[in-house]
Amino acid sequence: DIQMTQSPSSLSASVGDRVTITCRASQVISNYLAWYQQRPGTSPKLLIYAATTLQLGVPSRFSGSASGTDFTLTISSVQPEDVATYYCQKYNSAPFTFGPGTTVHIK
Amino acid sequence: QVRLVESGGGVVQPGGSLRLSCAASGFSFSNYGMHWVRRAPGKGLEWVAFIWNDGTNKFYGDSVKGRFTISRDNSKKTLYLQMNSLRGEDTAVYYCATELVVVAGSTWGQGTLVTVSS
Repeated sequence: DIQMTQSPSSLSASVGDRVTITCRASQVISNYLAWYQQRPGTSPKLLIYAATTLQLGVPSRFSGSASGTDFTLTISSVQPEDVATYYCQKYNSAPFTFGPGTTVHIK
Repeated sequence: QVRLVESGGGVVQPGGSLRLSCAASGFSFSNYGMHWVRRAPGKGLEWVAFIWNDGTNKFYGDSVKGRFTISRDNSKKTLYLQMNSLRGEDTAVYYCATELVVVAGSTWGQGTLVTVSS
């Protein structure tokens, strides 16, 4: 099965900082990569799909990029409401594995 | 609006069984594949199972294979997860979610808590 890794596992940033989270697939998954945000006490929310496509209604400070089996989620100017855990997920075929998550804190 | 509502969670002893339900509304349920995903306390999201829109194919994560069964009733717009031989490590909030589709994205329920404890 394809494994998904993420780094870092957590980070602390100041409001307005640029934040980058990386996800790596152990094998080629084309661009079948999604990013989810889960705020404390809430359900996961889809941010980006097809590695780079912003879901409707998601703020434009979120963006995604891809290079081979490496994927990146960037928050261009982090805001207090972005405190959450972020997960990547492969969705080309089963098993639909999630990465272990990256928790974003605000300093 | 598009909505998913899970139910059926609760406290169950190790080795016991539980059936979760996920009621769908606001969209054409029979057109979408459906997932179950869980999050254990202090852990990340774990994909549990997926079923095709017509129920003909089902897929499971390794940790639940042979113990859990996903099913659906399109006439009732309801997704199910039958959980047998429950273990402490199955303790989690269980979410149902639609498959990810272009533009529409993916909709998730609010989750239902399953606690396996004696």
